[in-house]
Amino acid sequence: RKEVEQDPGPFNVPEGATVAFNCTYSNSASQSFFWYRQDCRKEPKLLMSVYSSGNEDGRFTAQLNRASQYISLLIRDSKLSDSATYLCVVNSRTGNQFYFGTGTSLTVIP
Amino acid sequence: EAGVAQSPRYKIIEKRQSVAFWCNPISGHATLYWYQQILGQGPKLLIQFQNNGVVDDSQLPKDRFSAERLKGVDSTLKIQPAKLEDSAVYLCASSLVPGETQYFGPGTRLLVL
Repeated sequence: RKEVEQDPGPFNVPEGATVAFNCTYSNSASQSFFWYRQDCRKEPKLLMSVYSSGNEDGRFTAQLNRASQYISLLIRDSKLSDSATYLCVVNSRTGNQFYFGTGTSLTVIP
Repeated sequence: EAGVAQSPRYKIIEKRQSVAFWCNPISGHATLYWYQQILGQGPKLLIQFQNNGVVDDSQLPKDRFSAERLKGVDSTLKIQPAKLEDSAVYLCASSLVPGETQYFGPGTRLLVL
């Protein structure tokens, strides 16, 4: 079983739509969780960390469900500039090993 | 603040040749990572350094890949000999401490023919 699993998509949504991505992880001892954004042919960049209480940054909301071992990312009022691949990242405290999901592709359509 | 630097940006070689990639992390970042990202997949950790020591190299194909960070700053990743399946983007990342936010360099895009 993979450490981190994501639906690869693609998700094609119209501007202004709300879209949500989920990501599941297999190691219940995982300690840190992140969402990274990767534009085509670019390096991944941190979008936001995911805290146990959930956190929000403008149009983006991240949540963690430890009981079900998944994290989610909600994007409200989608913009064309949100088109990218969103990578779920999970860090296991044991060895500080980072595991990336395969990424979910989002295209926002005018 | 300068980001993570990598070179070269692109490299094309023939199979069985050797290749080396260089990474300079963000100043003061003790932790350095090398990832391999194959098209359509997420980055896969190859090796993690803490200063000049190896923390994790469990996914590094040690028969052909090697990496070093002799002075705890710059790092070099080498492939010798290269195979077709090594075609990928090699990303270097650094973080202030292990487990914290990683900052990625632009990557080296390798094509093995």
